[in-house]
Amino acid sequence: GQNIDQPTEMTATEGAIVQINCTYQTSGFNGLFWYQQHAGEAPTFLSYNVLDGLEEKGRFSSFLSRSKGYSYLLLKELQMKDSASYLCAVLNNAGNMLTFGGGTRLMVKP
Amino acid sequence: DAGITQSPRHKVTETGTPVTLRCHQTENHRYMYWYRQDPGHGLRLIHYSYGVKDTDKGEVSDGYSVSRSKTEDFLLTLESATSSQTSVYFCAISGGGETGRTDTQYFGPGTRLTVL
Repeated sequence: GQNIDQPTEMTATEGAIVQINCTYQTSGFNGLFWYQQHAGEAPTFLSYNVLDGLEEKGRFSSFLSRSKGYSYLLLKELQMKDSASYLCAVLNNAGNMLTFGGGTRLMVKP
Repeated sequence: DAGITQSPRHKVTETGTPVTLRCHQTENHRYMYWYRQDPGHGLRLIHYSYGVKDTDKGEVSDGYSVSRSKTEDFLLTLESATSSQTSVYFCAISGGGETGRTDTQYFGPGTRLTVL
């Protein structure tokens, strides 16, 4: 089976750092994706991790621990425009299907 | 935006009527997907295609059919729409360009469907 868990909602302050966690238990694993989705819009690709460790891309970083079935997305220097939902998704062994968690709605306050 | 369009963008229909949603891509991507997104459930895969006339079921395929007669178009059909199919439908693509990598999916703008 596939089980991907993320917190439903988080709130943070502009300029701060926030960490969004994702845990997974899946029958196969070929990488983990993070997407950002603003209200009423399509998900947009943020990051992809297939090996353990931290991947940094500007203000956003993503971490993966395959042995723990755990990932997090780290957002630094939060801006109001970062208010969005963040979706964690696991890629299957064949590399052609994603299973998504329910998403974490992040609210950034002044 | 990976050259993906969806039509219509909004549709209101009545229970029992057939509905077809279209996904169109312009960059020769191999894989195309249909998802639905509902509050509390996140994105769930309905059907996907790995080539012309090659399709397979996803997690929530009951009540839906798909067709892909050419590379650029992937159609999702609700043969007899029900209120439980009220949702936002997203198309996604992957596996394009010279590398033919399948991993990263890019999403279309979505279609908001309401079944009364």
